Amino acid sequence: SAVISQKPSRDICQRGTSLTIQCQVDSQVTMMFWYRQQPGQSLTLIATANQGSEATYESGFVIDKFPISRPNLTFSTLTVSNMSPEDSSIYLCSVVAGSGNTIYFGEGSWLTVV
Amino acid sequence: AQSVAQPEDQVNVAEGNPLTVKCTYSVSGNPYLFWYVQYPNRGLQFLLKYITGDNLVKGSYGFEAEFNKSQTSFHLKKPSALVSDSALYFCAVRPYTGFQKLVFGTGTRLLVSP
Repeated sequence: SAVISQKPSRDICQRGTSLTIQCQVDSQVTMMFWYRQQPGQSLTLIATANQGSEATYESGFVIDKFPISRPNLTFSTLTVSNMSPEDSSIYLCSVVAGSGNTIYFGEGSWLTVV
Repeated sequence: AQSVAQPEDQVNVAEGNPLTVKCTYSVSGNPYLFWYVQYPNRGLQFLLKYITGDNLVKGSYGFEAEFNKSQTSFHLKKPSALVSDSALYFCAVRPYTGFQKLVFGTGTRLLVSP
């Protein structure tokens, strides 16, 4: 398995500001993913972060709004830029780990934009 | 395109009774199938997965799931429900090969009454 730590766990942010979420994994992983879970909704993939290359964004998500860094095999950040109330969500980091290709999730970062 | 359907928004069951949470999927090729649980104010916890082999998969907390290829289903089951099983359950799928992206169902809320 993998232990995934996310910071911050919760935050209340002002409209128009940006917030960077950190994801730390206890082992080296090739692929890291960022998901969004809007209130009462399912999870939607934002982007895939591979070390040494640009992140790959899903339809509807752009780098200017959600810039991602992946400086090494155990760490990634997701920035939510110029936030609006519609960005109030849980943002979850996930990784593929173990011999069985299991995908594990962090506890999430719960953002409220006011 | 991949898709997952969880036809029930909510499942109610009395403690001690068996429970089933339904999931059907659509994916080209052979699927990897996953169940996750989300307790209130928590991230996603991995419950179990089907990759290949025995159609009945056993996972955490006494849960199991049965893969049925002909019906493209992967229903989650437990012989005897506990009040502490009350949570939000997500089914997810990804192709057997290629990209590791998970596609999630809309989630099913399980309520176990004492």
